[in-house]
Amino acid sequence: AQRVTQPEKLLSVFKGAPVELKCNYSYSGSPELFWYVQYSRQRLQLLLRHISRESIKGFTADLNKGETSFHLKKPFAQEEDSAMYYCALSPRTDKLIFGTGTRLQVFP
Amino acid sequence: EAGVAQSPRYKIIEKRQSVAFWCNPISGHATLYWYQQILGQGPKLLIQFQNNGVVDDSQLPKDRFSAERLKGVDSTLKIQPAKLEDSAVYLCASSSLTFNYGYTFGSGTRLTVV
Repeated sequence: AQRVTQPEKLLSVFKGAPVELKCNYSYSGSPELFWYVQYSRQRLQLLLRHISRESIKGFTADLNKGETSFHLKKPFAQEEDSAMYYCALSPRTDKLIFGTGTRLQVFP
Repeated sequence: EAGVAQSPRYKIIEKRQSVAFWCNPISGHATLYWYQQILGQGPKLLIQFQNNGVVDDSQLPKDRFSAERLKGVDSTLKIQPAKLEDSAVYLCASSSLTFNYGYTFGSGTRLTVV
């Protein structure tokens, strides 16, 4: 079955601390994986995708096929990073399966 | 570019009533999606259109939900009759044919069924 698991509903850190939001997936083929973010009172938006191997707002994510994981990391959290983060899997080129999301709270 | 427009923003109805949501995608985007996001869960795809044809409606509860995109532009999602468990945010998204995983989401419609 195609599934995305985000084990943490809430992650709280202090400003400047490292952040890792966990994402594990279940998929038999070669996955396309993404992180979406929703800031307070804003729309859901794409943060980054693994095929681009990019760093957005200091966030990076590495696909680990052996562990079937795609964890989102940032070395130094900022207060403006507080948001809801969703990991998503694309089993085909135009459909997304989302995880349940992790709320990141960054305290000053 | 203008974003994906959705209306209404909020709707409260009683169970067994009907409700309709409207979506206007980004101009030129051929593919339109309706997602349902229940509180505490991630968005779940209900239906996907390409132009005015249905690509995927496997998770649409067809006994009560219907959707159309008559001219390949605007779309309407209807629920009739509504149940308590339909309380959710209904998100519309669109993408171009040259899909590069860049969904653009609307602000959503928050439905409360009482």
